[in-house]
Amino acid sequence: GQQLNQSPQSMFIQEGEDVSMNCTSSSIFNTWLWYKQDPGEGPVLLIALYKAGELTSNGRLTAQFGITRKDSFLNISASIPSDVGIYFCAGVLFTGTASKLTFGTGTRLQVTL
Amino acid sequence: NAGVTQTPKFQVLKTGQSMTLQCAQDMNHNSMYWYRQDPGMGLRLIYYSASEGTTDKGEVPNGYNVSRLNKREFSLRLESAAPSQTSVYFCASRRDSSNQPQHFGDGTRLSIL
Repeated sequence: GQQLNQSPQSMFIQEGEDVSMNCTSSSIFNTWLWYKQDPGEGPVLLIALYKAGELTSNGRLTAQFGITRKDSFLNISASIPSDVGIYFCAGVLFTGTASKLTFGTGTRLQVTL
Repeated sequence: NAGVTQTPKFQVLKTGQSMTLQCAQDMNHNSMYWYRQDPGMGLRLIYYSASEGTTDKGEVPNGYNVSRLNKREFSLRLESAAPSQTSVYFCASRRDSSNQPQHFGDGTRLSIL
């Protein structure tokens, strides 16, 4: 099946620093999604990207859908303590009326004061 | 604003026992999904249901069955639990239109001894 390589696996950064993480795939996707998961909760959608080359922002978060449709990155600017969590990318393929998500293995972000 | 509700939140089973995980969504979504999340492996699709009355296998269906009881509810059943099925299980749902992302419940943490 399809696989996503997400990096880095974990990051320790200081409050106020910028963060960058990315996902690469062996095949193309129709859509890229970025989710954040807090402990004990399900993934929550941060940003959705629908077109190759698309650059989308959500507050301090910026994500891009790679031109080749095989990669995406997420940037977080001026990190704060509540940014702590696990960030997942997900590539989406549409199969008729359903969508199939392939998830990356996650980037664990920890912020020190 | 319930969204996607999963029950139970926690469960411990003995090997060989059976168990049904419940999922309900109140967003009038047609598509519903079951994932499992294991350390270092992201989320993997077990089964999905594109619409009421239909179900399809995902990436890791072995050892599981599902029932799309009605539009709101999608249950996951373990007929004879095995230690390898110890995991966190997430249910998700999605609106019909192709560009809508999946929304997740808070998960069921299942341990099989």
